Amino acid sequence: EAGVTQFPSHSVIEKGQTVTLRCDPISGHDNLYWYRRVMGKEIKFLLHFVKESKQDESGMPNNRFLAERTGGTYSTLKVQPAELEDSGVYFCASSQWGPEGSGAFFGQGTRLTVV
Amino acid sequence: DAKTTQPTSMDCAEGRAANLPCNHSTISGNEYVYWYRQIHSQGPQYIIHGLKNNETNEMASLIITEDRKSSTLILPHATLRDTAVYYCIVKGFRADKLIFGTGTRLQVFP
Repeated sequence: EAGVTQFPSHSVIEKGQTVTLRCDPISGHDNLYWYRRVMGKEIKFLLHFVKESKQDESGMPNNRFLAERTGGTYSTLKVQPAELEDSGVYFCASSQWGPEGSGAFFGQGTRLTVV
Repeated sequence: DAKTTQPTSMDCAEGRAANLPCNHSTISGNEYVYWYRQIHSQGPQYIIHGLKNNETNEMASLIITEDRKSSTLILPHATLRDTAVYYCIVKGFRADKLIFGTGTRLQVFP
């Protein structure tokens, strides 16, 4: 069974440009999450989808970030326009809720560098 | 979500058991204890979780005290590949977000 996959693994863009990150969750997982780690800081939650609906987007830093999950399968996270402080590693995770709790499975991340 | 306290770093000899403690004195009755780890440059990896009973899987064992105010993650035979930052996270059973702290940096040495 394939794990959570993220694309691209690395992206270097100039300030002001647009970047779109993609996440393919584990098949059948209704929950999809985005997290990020900026250099020297802790991993921070950005957003949680349940199927195609945004369950919690309290961690989205500002309106330059737009996440979508059309059809409840893969998700994209667009940053437009990118700023220097957006540099970091963006992780996607997925899980399937169970009555005894369940773990979330993470992708390898996309390392975004804004120059 | 309740907060957790972990030591900043620990060392462990290869082949020995690594015991990673976590304090979560404000945990509420319906909150689980989860453990994740992040090996350098990789995404966080789920290890194990539990509510009040001790749990064991192929990766580790989780020992939760009777009052549930603390727990210990046990890697029974640590290897060099277990060198990572280990995160203890308390959260409800719903599929809510994970709140990562600074974790414990475990260094396994030969």
